[in-house]
Amino acid sequence: GAVVSQHPSWVICKSGTSVKIECRSLDFQATTMFWYRQFPKQSLMLMATSNEGSKATYEQGVEKDKFLINHASLTLSTLTVTSAHPEDSSFYICSASFGGGSYNSPLHFGNGTRLTVT
Amino acid sequence: RKEVEQDPGPFNVPEGATVAFNCTYSNSASQSFFWYRQDCRKEPKLLMSVYSSGNEDGRFTAQLNRASQYISLLIRDSKLSDSATYLCVVRGMDTGRRALTFGSGTRLQVQP
Repeated sequence: GAVVSQHPSWVICKSGTSVKIECRSLDFQATTMFWYRQFPKQSLMLMATSNEGSKATYEQGVEKDKFLINHASLTLSTLTVTSAHPEDSSFYICSASFGGGSYNSPLHFGNGTRLTVT
Repeated sequence: RKEVEQDPGPFNVPEGATVAFNCTYSNSASQSFFWYRQDCRKEPKLLMSVYSSGNEDGRFTAQLNRASQYISLLIRDSKLSDSATYLCVVRGMDTGRRALTFGSGTRLQVQP
């Protein structure tokens, strides 16, 4: 069964509005979660690393003021796309490591959120 | 140069065929390697980890060559349900990051 739950699965919003995406680890604690974005026919690109109780670490080129990440508990991280624009339309996927974050632990992914900004 | 490079395909093969995918990675400090499978418009799902000695899981065999920084996936007796995009994934250690770096994927289409 799923070990990472993501909500919503899809959302359509108007340009200028904000959208919040939730990512929950099920039955395990995730001190670190990762947010990825995937545009059509492209690979997953890491946006940011979400750390419980501290600030997220953003990848180069990702605006931290536009993509707000909050990781307030060991089982929940949220990504808020603020003032969304059509170019933000993408597939957003969160992930967490089940194996305590060791290097050999694969990541498990949420089911993704397909965001369409009109 | 991309950190993880894959032939995008598509690979169109008949049912029952054997097909091999290759992947190269640029960061010699990479420590962990995986193959993920992604179906259209879905999240990636772990197919298998890749170990230095090579490993097999049913019809799937993965190999790692650290000297050449090369990873492979072999699928035997292809099924229609194997049609998907296969993602080569590595995790580095030099930056302390535990995130994964994905290749752009190789698309497989198994035909009846």
